[in-house]
Amino acid sequence: LAKTTQPISMDSYEGQEVNITCSHNNIATNDYITWYQQFPSQGPRFIIQGYKTKVTNEVASLFIPADRKSSTLSLPRVSLSDTAVYYCLVGAFSGGYNKLIFGAGTRLAVHP
Amino acid sequence: EPEVTQTPSHQVTQMGQEVILRCVPISNHLYFYWYRQILGQKVEFLVSFYNNEISEKSEIFDDQFSVERPDGSNFTLKIRSTKLEDSAMYFCASTQGQGLRSNQPQHFGDGTRLSIL
Repeated sequence: LAKTTQPISMDSYEGQEVNITCSHNNIATNDYITWYQQFPSQGPRFIIQGYKTKVTNEVASLFIPADRKSSTLSLPRVSLSDTAVYYCLVGAFSGGYNKLIFGAGTRLAVHP
Repeated sequence: EPEVTQTPSHQVTQMGQEVILRCVPISNHLYFYWYRQILGQKVEFLVSFYNNEISEKSEIFDDQFSVERPDGSNFTLKIRSTKLEDSAMYFCASTQGQGLRSNQPQHFGDGTRLSIL
């Protein structure tokens, strides 16, 4: 699984857009990029997944440049409840099963 | 939306005792996992399970650990003789498997907090 690098922490204010960038220079051809969110005392929760270009769902957007060596999770108009740790994971997940290798993630604090 | 459920939410056990953590994965999922997270640290992979056998396990998952799918709905993690360092949050996860166009994400339960005294 490709190694990822993301900021340890970020601060934002309610109503702002937050962009968290993840670097994955050694991403392989078959690798997908997946983001999870974790609140204190809860399990990680899947947010979004992409392979290339842009993916959008009801909670976030994921921007992936052509070289795929980085990706940016975009959270529009954050609220206090978006305060959490955000993890970027990269892997091919081939063979049907896979293990997720979590890094330290990015601790996002949203302030009033 | 269906979810992974784990019981109990908190388990307190004396060191050396056996403990069983229970999980009910999402019903049509085929792949099951256990992870743990020591307080303030990363989420760590323990084991993956498919077709009634272990697919992969980490170095953490030693002979003290075992997993079982005793029936069509439950998935359990047993720690035979608990140690102080086993104190952690234990998360169960499941996934349907690899989809046609994307990888199916893993769905996590909210964990069991295991405290070893």
